[in-house]
Amino acid sequence: AQSVSQHNHHVILSEAASLELGCNYSYGGTVNLFWYVQYPGQHLQLLLKYFSGDPLVKGIKGFEAEFIKSKFSFNLRKPSVQWSDTAEYFCAVSRGVTGGGNKLTFGTGTQLKVEL
Amino acid sequence: KAGVTQTPRYLIKTRGQQVTLSCSPISGHRSVSWYQQTPGQGLQFLFEYFSETQRNKGNFPGRFSGRQFSNSRSEMNVSTLELGDSALYLCASSLLGQGSGANVLTFGAGSRLTVL
Repeated sequence: AQSVSQHNHHVILSEAASLELGCNYSYGGTVNLFWYVQYPGQHLQLLLKYFSGDPLVKGIKGFEAEFIKSKFSFNLRKPSVQWSDTAEYFCAVSRGVTGGGNKLTFGTGTQLKVEL
Repeated sequence: KAGVTQTPRYLIKTRGQQVTLSCSPISGHRSVSWYQQTPGQGLQFLFEYFSETQRNKGNFPGRFSGRQFSNSRSEMNVSTLELGDSALYLCASSLLGQGSGANVLTFGAGSRLTVL
């Protein structure tokens, strides 16, 4: 069974600091990769996704992620965080070929707090 | 266009009772998935429906069941509730379905179930 590991459970940063959240998955086949964000009191929203092609993907609000197949990783980055980025971030993976469907396996989440 | 709508948003039940949660997907979306979110276990896949057929199921006991109607609306049912069933139940819909891995899920706000 596939699994997703997020190494940082809680991260505290000051505004304008750079962010990198780690995500590793354990499935050897073709995968689709996602980062979702859950702002306080709001529902899960898609931040960015990778299906194929350029391994560096850009999402909303200045976030980007890099897929490194050899490392089974899909780390999330942002050069300069804002207070409004305070949220919980989830990495998720689904199988990229027929049979995977919409079954997402999520990591445990990283709670990011950005201080003014 | 309207997002994924889940009802009820909050409910309280007692052990042994059963509960039915409803999900209306985004118009045109034919796939509906359900997830359970708890502080301890995180986000876990329950099941996925497409064209009224369950095509994926997670590792949950048979007390958890679901169905999808011809208009793509979905319900999930939990019978004989246990304290551990207290959670946020999330529904997600997607446009693509059978045979495609390139799906993007849009999540609803969830139904928060408390079991006393």
